[in-house]
Amino acid sequence: DTGVSQDPRHKITKRGQNVTFRCDPISEHNRLYWYRQTLGQGPEFLTYFQNEAQLEKSRLLSDRFSAERPKGSFSTLEIQRTEQGDSAMYLCASSLVEGNNGYTFGSGTRLTVV
Amino acid sequence: GQQVMQIPQYQHVQEGEDFTTYCNSSTTLSNIQWYKQRPGGHPVFLIQLVKSGEVKKQKRLTFQFGEAKKNSSLHITATQTTDVGTYFCARGAGGYQKVTFGIGTKLQVIP
Repeated sequence: DTGVSQDPRHKITKRGQNVTFRCDPISEHNRLYWYRQTLGQGPEFLTYFQNEAQLEKSRLLSDRFSAERPKGSFSTLEIQRTEQGDSAMYLCASSLVEGNNGYTFGSGTRLTVV
Repeated sequence: GQQVMQIPQYQHVQEGEDFTTYCNSSTTLSNIQWYKQRPGGHPVFLIQLVKSGEVKKQKRLTFQFGEAKKNSSLHITATQTTDVGTYFCARGAGGYQKVTFGIGTKLQVIP
């Protein structure tokens, strides 16, 4: 499979627990993005990386959220002290910097905070 | 970045009818992208428009970018049940911009 992979597909956690999601982008893609999507809404930008550098983080993102891309390949998104409002689909996407900048999305991780 | 506005939010059409969704911005867009998300799926990139007045076709889908680069449209001719899903326009991408999605137009096709 040469697409974008996300793990896990589903996560149910209790409020206050920490969760971590993983994304493996398309290997040739140097940009990696995290988005969040709730029902009936478009994907909302969270953060993105070019290689291992985190270039932008949404101002709407609380400091409970942190993302890393340590070797410029896979990325992790951690949410600390989860809240019910964090329940959403977390989407990862990757793209090339140059040329056609269309994003390839993974299937997402659906987080439910109970 | 500023959002793009999409209309309508919902559209039900009889199979075989045409469908159009519109995307508008208050500021000039460097480019516009279109994505399709099937129910329960993830967004899939359809196309990117860059040039003023650009028109691109993909089979029954026609994409247009306005002359002023402030609006775009997606037109589907003779809809089929496989066209069901939510169609998003998205601004940005390129340079250090990231893509910012609109709210989408949810299309339902009645067989």
